[in-house]
Amino acid sequence: GQNIDQPTEMTATEGAIVQINCTYQTSGFNGLFWYQQHAGEAPTFLSYNVLDGLEEKGRFSSFLSRSKGYSYLLLKELQMKDSASYLCAAMDSNYQLIWGAGTKLIIKP
Amino acid sequence: DTAVSQTPKYLVTQMGNDKSIKCEQNLGHDTMYWYKQDSKKFLKIMFSYNNKELIINETVPNRFSPKSPDKAHLNLHINSLELGDSAVYFCASSPPADTGELFFGEGSRLTVL
Repeated sequence: GQNIDQPTEMTATEGAIVQINCTYQTSGFNGLFWYQQHAGEAPTFLSYNVLDGLEEKGRFSSFLSRSKGYSYLLLKELQMKDSASYLCAAMDSNYQLIWGAGTKLIIKP
Repeated sequence: DTAVSQTPKYLVTQMGNDKSIKCEQNLGHDTMYWYKQDSKKFLKIMFSYNNKELIINETVPNRFSPKSPDKAHLNLHINSLELGDSAVYFCASSPPADTGELFFGEGSRLTVL
């Protein structure tokens, strides 16, 4: 079956770095996505990886290893506003998104 | 200015009632979706329409019926509401290329009493 695994919750300190991991199993693969969702709000797109390696976008970076079925989202210089849920989603061979349950990130001062 | 807008944002109703949620996007996208996010925060796709045609219909009860009068609108009608239907329902749209980037509406929180 198709499956996405990511930690339920993580805690980090303002100004620090945090890495949120995601492993996936899908029927075919057409890319890995990260979305950010603040409480009570809609998810917003953060990144898309389809090739192996690291994609950097400001304070956020996303990494993909297709052979390992693994991705991570790296957040640097954490700010209080980064407190949110981070959703990992993999696109299967039918171009359907398979979603993880999200990782709730708590930032402490 | 809102790209994907859905109404109502909050809906509280009794079991057995029928309700509708409306969605409109002004992004010119061909594909629109309805997602359900339950209390455990899993986002589950319910329906996907491309240019008014149904292309994805996941295993949802037939009490849920989507309607797309034109490619900018995708409404969701729910008959005979049940307690388990309580959730946040998100409408979303995506551009033609299969990049997977979704643009979500603000969500409609449905509470069935």
